[in-house]
Amino acid sequence: AQSVTQPDARVTVSEGASLQLRCKYSYFGTPYLFWYVQYPRQGLQLLLKYYPGDPVVQGVNGFEAEFSKSNSSFHLRKASVHWSDWAVYFCAVSMNTGGLSGKLTFGEGTQVTVIS
Amino acid sequence: EAAVTQSPRSKVAVTGGKVTLSCHQTNNHDYMYWYRQDTGHGLRLIHYSYVADSTEKGDIPDGYKASRPSQENFSLILELASLSQTAVYFCASSAAGTGEGNQAPLFGEGTRLSVL
Repeated sequence: AQSVTQPDARVTVSEGASLQLRCKYSYFGTPYLFWYVQYPRQGLQLLLKYYPGDPVVQGVNGFEAEFSKSNSSFHLRKASVHWSDWAVYFCAVSMNTGGLSGKLTFGEGTQVTVIS
Repeated sequence: EAAVTQSPRSKVAVTGGKVTLSCHQTNNHDYMYWYRQDTGHGLRLIHYSYVADSTEKGDIPDGYKASRPSQENFSLILELASLSQTAVYFCASSAAGTGEGNQAPLFGEGTRLSVL
């Protein structure tokens, strides 16, 4: 069965510093991968998505992620963090069989705290 | 604008009572999903649907029923609510098809359910 691991439950970063959030997946085959962000008491918003192709994908608000098949990873990066990036970030994987891209397996999430 | 709307946004229910959570999408998506989020954890799939009048079990279907009376509407039903079903519930929808042209699932704002 597919699974997603986000090894860092909490990350604290200074405003203006760079950010990397780790995501490891377990899946037999070619995965479809997503990063979502959840602001307090809100739903999930898509940051970026990976479908088989270029391993580096660009997302919204300056986020990017890099897919590595050899490392089974899909790490999220941002060069310069803003206070508005304070949120919970979820990595998710989909088999996308039969077009079911919404049938996702989520990681536990990483809480990002931004300090000045 | 594409949207997934959930109602109610929050609800307090009594143990043993019946609860119905509703979801409406204006995205013309074929697929709809119900996820559950427990505090400090990722989302888990409860039920999903390919088409109106048909539902499928997800990863944690016990204690829940689903109903898809039309393409736009998808309900989650707790016939006998229990304390362990206190959580935030998210509805999502996605387009059919695979590959780059397929959109990532869109999520609603969530319904916060407390069972007392």
